[in-house]
Amino acid sequence: NAGVTQTPKFQVLKTGQSMTLQCAQDMNHNSMYWYRQDPGMGLRLIYYSASEGTTDKGEVPNGYNVSRLNKREFSLRLESAAPSQTSVYFCASTKGVQETQYFGPGTRLLVL
Amino acid sequence: TQLLEQSPQFLSIQEGENLTVYCNSSSVFSSLQWYRQEPGEGPVLLVTVVTGGEVKKLKRLTFQFGDARKDSSLHITAAQPGDTGLYLCAGTTSGTYKYIFGTGTRLKVLA
Repeated sequence: NAGVTQTPKFQVLKTGQSMTLQCAQDMNHNSMYWYRQDPGMGLRLIYYSASEGTTDKGEVPNGYNVSRLNKREFSLRLESAAPSQTSVYFCASTKGVQETQYFGPGTRLLVL
Repeated sequence: TQLLEQSPQFLSIQEGENLTVYCNSSSVFSSLQWYRQEPGEGPVLLVTVVTGGEVKKLKRLTFQFGDARKDSSLHITAAQPGDTGLYLCAGTTSGTYKYIFGTGTRLKVLA
């Protein structure tokens, strides 16, 4: 039982490059989330998926797209990376609303 | 935009001291969670409170949800170096699956 896994752990991109961050959970959770964490700003919600087949915007969706591939997997795509997207990205999952969110270990992204 | 403001932003105290961290909003939340995050890891849930005025205890940690469900506090008694970390509050509102996180309180407990 691995919980929430994220790949890659680290990534360096040049401005304009694209990449996809992968997230998978093995807890049979319904809802999944993508957050970014910047110094002094806590966690900000980028996109979430309340259940398989649905996705919705969070606080800071601009420059990102998501895909809920199946119940286990939720990916985050940066189509044209910008230095402002340098951050630590966390994926989380939960059984339902008000339930415990379980977080992955994070992906550290640097955009030059 | 819903905001959760935490105070203080930073706190450095000696082992054995008591401290309180606050999480405040102008919005009403249906639930409020507290997480602790250590460097290089994702946040880990400490507690969830759902009823106005609710108090929950977890060993030396006491959590309270405000009567109006707009604020919460975390009190640590006799802090230990193992309590060092980033403490985050997160709220949910009725009818949504979104969690709004506070700005965080970075605590350092010195031995």
